[in-house]
Amino acid sequence: DGGITQSPKYLFRKEGQNVTLSCEQNLNHDAMYWYRQDPGQGLRLIYYSQIVNDFQKGDIAEGYSVSREKKESFPLTVTSAQKNPTAFYLCASSIRGLEETQYFGPGTRLLVL
Amino acid sequence: SQKIEQNSEALNIQEGKTATLTCNYTNYSPAYLQWYRQDPGRGPVFLLLIRENEKEKRKERLKVTFDTTLKQSLFHITASQPADSATYLCALGRGTSYDKVIFGPGTSLSVIP
Repeated sequence: DGGITQSPKYLFRKEGQNVTLSCEQNLNHDAMYWYRQDPGQGLRLIYYSQIVNDFQKGDIAEGYSVSREKKESFPLTVTSAQKNPTAFYLCASSIRGLEETQYFGPGTRLLVL
Repeated sequence: SQKIEQNSEALNIQEGKTATLTCNYTNYSPAYLQWYRQDPGRGPVFLLLIRENEKEKRKERLKVTFDTTLKQSLFHITASQPADSATYLCALGRGTSYDKVIFGPGTSLSVIP
């Protein structure tokens, strides 16, 4: 079964804590993305990667970090510097790059304790 | 700055009628426009893509129009069913490898039996 998986489905963060959201795809896509979704707003791009070992900041990268050591994996770390992390986080991939149709994972909802 | 607007209010329609959703944009010249469906707590799913040189595109009960003069896309669902109830997102792209896709805030559609 091909697709994108995200884990966990729900994640709770304590103040001052870093947390990591997992994203894995077996679609053999080169490009992967992280978006944040808040009520009433469009998806906002956090980071994207068009190739292994390379990634670029999106519109709201502050307080987040990523790595792309393997083609199929693109984990997102929400650091303590992100002061308003409560949101729905979506990972996506596309065959090659930014110009193409994106395939989304099921999302991770991050809540702050 | 670039802006995408979708129907600001949720749309409620009777089963069997045609639902029409609107996507308007400003300060942007897209090469294509996409429509996605998003169910609560899930990731968006790609539905249709229409390019700037196409006026209309159809897929089963779905029809999309794209008017670059009016800077508007209309998304129609004919013979609507309760299973069509979801949030629908439009997204614009320039079709280059360095321009990210921009998503609208979405319109919530409820089809009433």
